[in-house]
Amino acid sequence: RKEVEQDPGPFNVPEGATVAFNCTYSNSASQSFFWYRQDCRKEPKLLMSVYSSGNEDGRFTAQLNRASQYISLLIRDSKLSDSATYLCAVTRGDSNYQLIWGAGTKLIIKP
Amino acid sequence: GAVVSQHPSWVICKSGTSVKIECRSLDFQATTMFWYRQFPKQSLMLMATSNEGSKATYEQGVEKDKFLINHASLTLSTLTVTSAHPEDSSFYICSARASGSYEQYFGPGTRLTVT
Repeated sequence: RKEVEQDPGPFNVPEGATVAFNCTYSNSASQSFFWYRQDCRKEPKLLMSVYSSGNEDGRFTAQLNRASQYISLLIRDSKLSDSATYLCAVTRGDSNYQLIWGAGTKLIIKP
Repeated sequence: GAVVSQHPSWVICKSGTSVKIECRSLDFQATTMFWYRQFPKQSLMLMATSNEGSKATYEQGVEKDKFLINHASLTLSTLTVTSAHPEDSSFYICSARASGSYEQYFGPGTRLTVT
């Protein structure tokens, strides 16, 4: 089993719809969690950190479920510009502040 | 804030030559810098972790003598791909984190093509 798993997609979603995807992790010692977006042939960019209480930033909501060891990302009122690959990252649980990365979920927003 | 630059953005070199890639944190001090490579349609693969002033920690399977990492200051780390071969062609991306934070901020990446 991979340490961090994501559905690779692609998720084909009409513009304006709501889309959600999950990311499961295997290390219960992981303490910090993040969502990044990566556009084709570009570097990943931090979208949001995921806190225990959940957090919201505009159309984006991230949640953490420690009991089931997954994080989720919800995008409301999706825009064409939301098309990208969404990577989740979790801390390794040891020193060096390393992140373990999921392979990413590809999202395609259609007009 | 949290801007990381990387240079060059792309490079083409001949087999057997060495290539140096620079990663700089522009507006914060990077306690730790990370070097990744990414093949097309694949996920990020961590190559090494470097802390300022100390030797880099390489991931299993990454040759430390081939991928030389220097983290001489809190704002600069370099990756040198020595004796490059076509199979080293990839997208190399650095990231940096500030003290007390787990968040990593990425440079724009370097696309290396070895002919």
